[in-house]
Amino acid sequence: GQSLEQPSEVTAVEGAIVQINCTYQTSGFYGLSWYQQHDGGAPTFLSYNALDGLEETGRFSSFLSRSDSYGYLLLQELQMKDSASYFCAVRDLRRTDSWGKFQFGAGTQVVVTP
Amino acid sequence: DVKVTQSSRYLVKRTGEKVFLECVQDMDHENMFWYRQDPGLGLRLIYFSYDVKMKEKGDIPEGYSVSREKKERFSLILESASTNQTSMYLCASSDGPGGSGRGNEQFFGPGTRLTVL
Repeated sequence: GQSLEQPSEVTAVEGAIVQINCTYQTSGFYGLSWYQQHDGGAPTFLSYNALDGLEETGRFSSFLSRSDSYGYLLLQELQMKDSASYFCAVRDLRRTDSWGKFQFGAGTQVVVTP
Repeated sequence: DVKVTQSSRYLVKRTGEKVFLECVQDMDHENMFWYRQDPGLGLRLIYFSYDVKMKEKGDIPEGYSVSREKKERFSLILESASTNQTSMYLCASSDGPGGSGRGNEQFFGPGTRLTVL
């Protein structure tokens, strides 16, 4: 089977840096995604890592280590609008027809305080 | 911009009713998905379709069925609604491995909050 683990909640002040870890167990790992979801809103895509290393997109960066079955999302210069839930999701490729399929984690609630 | 629309934002049904949730995407995406989202459980995949008339069970298909007769439309059917199906239902779509996004990004609709009484 597969499982993903991420912390349930993280609290930080404006301007701080937050790292959300995601560890996974899967038999056919092919990539790790991150999504952001504000209360009452739909999840929106942030990043996708298929290869080891760090990818930076503005204030957000995502890291993957396939040998450690681990990734993280780094949120820098936190702003109040970053208060949201963040989900990691793995692509577990066991069939080519399942290319689009991802398994989502339970989500991490990030609370940004003034 | 990719748009994924869902037929209702809020829905209230009675136990035993047949419920249809409709989802339409306008980007010619190959893949479409139905998830349910419950507090503390994240997004759980109910069904997935990778082509017209093709479907694959997700993690929690029991009590649900789906239909994809046209590429842009993916319907979720609750044959006989039960109270434990009260949840937020999210539809999503993505392109295939040959598409510009290579299926790495899923685009979500606004969700349907279903209450079964």
